Amino acid sequence: QVQLVESGGGVVQPGGSLRLSCAASGFTFSSYGMHWVRQAPGKGLEWVTFIPYDGSYEYYADSVKGRFTVSRDNSKNTLYLQMSLLRVEDTAVYYCAKPDSWGQGTLVTVSS
Amino acid sequence: QSVLTQPPSASGPPGQRVTISCSGSSSNIGSNTVNWYQQLPGSAPKLLFYSNNQRPSGVPDRFSGSKSGTSASLAIGGLQSGDEATYYCAAWDGSLNAWVFGGGTKLTVL
Repeated sequence: QVQLVESGGGVVQPGGSLRLSCAASGFTFSSYGMHWVRQAPGKGLEWVTFIPYDGSYEYYADSVKGRFTVSRDNSKNTLYLQMSLLRVEDTAVYYCAKPDSWGQGTLVTVSS
Repeated sequence: QSVLTQPPSASGPPGQRVTISCSGSSSNIGSNTVNWYQQLPGSAPKLLFYSNNQRPSGVPDRFSGSKSGTSASLAIGGLQSGDEATYYCAAWDGSLNAWVFGGGTKLTVL
């Protein structure tokens, strides 16, 4: 069955960087566009970014544009999210989504 | 403020039917399909409906989804305590080039 497993979360200081990974299995990863969605503590779902099956373009939410970069390695069935210039308000659980399947999420905490 | 509008809460006694609305615009619900997600406390969102009203295997048929114009609805019949969760609608927005969500509706079974 479809499995999406995020990793790379942790605690980082404001202005710092972090790279998240999402390992995919159980489906043909190279055939599907993928999203990152985040959820701040006690808040709703917020879409972050989308990358199509071939990585030919990317879309970003205004809140992360210029700071986050999505990429994928279809040979490794892995989706990435490079996060830079992190802000306190980026604190959230980050999910990768297929979008008929979601991972369990990885927590990113931005705090001094 | 979410692009898609949902009521923040809904409730009903066991066995009753409740409906959750999701209002959008011509650039999202009006021109693209709607997904619904169920998020149980402490868990990741789970797909409840795709393409407006298509139920993935394993979702009970007392759940139903519909769409009309720029609005969509999720109906849950025969409420059970296990249905207590937050429900989100989502659709692609062709003007924003973004996947937009409703703010979520927290369902309480009284």
